[in-house]
Amino acid sequence: NAGVTQTPKFQVLKTGQSMTLQCAQDMNHEYMSWYRQDPGMGLRLIHYSVGAGITDQGEVPNGYNVSRSTTEDFPLRLLSAAPSQTSVYFCASSLRRTGGNYGYTFGSGTRLTVV
Amino acid sequence: AQTVTQSQPEMSVQEAETVTLSCTYDTSENNYYLFWYKQPPSRQMILVIRQEAYKQQNATENRFSVNFQKAAKSFSLKISDSQLGDTAMYFCAFMKPDSGAQKLVFGQGTRLTINP
Repeated sequence: NAGVTQTPKFQVLKTGQSMTLQCAQDMNHEYMSWYRQDPGMGLRLIHYSVGAGITDQGEVPNGYNVSRSTTEDFPLRLLSAAPSQTSVYFCASSLRRTGGNYGYTFGSGTRLTVV
Repeated sequence: AQTVTQSQPEMSVQEAETVTLSCTYDTSENNYYLFWYKQPPSRQMILVIRQEAYKQQNATENRFSVNFQKAAKSFSLKISDSQLGDTAMYFCAFMKPDSGAQKLVFGQGTRLTINP
């Protein structure tokens, strides 16, 4: 099992460019999420999905779009990159269980720099 | 909204010592989950330990244990016999298991350095 696969690992964008961060998991997890990590702020939730065709906004959704057409894939789109979006982005997935959550599995992250 | 606070931005101990990382949280919920994640220099987020709020017993995973004080809303992580490989950022996280999202709320992180 590959777990959660994120691509690319590093990316440099110019202000105003658009791009898609890819995330795929092969564990048949229902829950998938995108977080951004900034120094001194921990990880903050951007968007999440509880299943194919269902997405919702997290704490910091502005400037990002998501879709979930399949259980496996959950891409994050930056519509018009801004320097404030310079960050490390993590995709995570979790199995929906009755009786509790046993923690998310994270991808290895994408370091994005917007110049 | 729930908040998680880690008041120690950095800590440093000698190898084989015991170290405790602090975490407090704010919630009005009675049932929830708490987690500690480790992020080594490789950047990978690794689940260290998990605690269910309705369980009185503190969770333990080998050298890692927690001190869960529900009334005080405190969730500290104790690392015994610390090893060089424990050097990492450690994040405390809260999850409210509502009907939909199961969203994680993270603290700011504590950078732990284990010195030889």
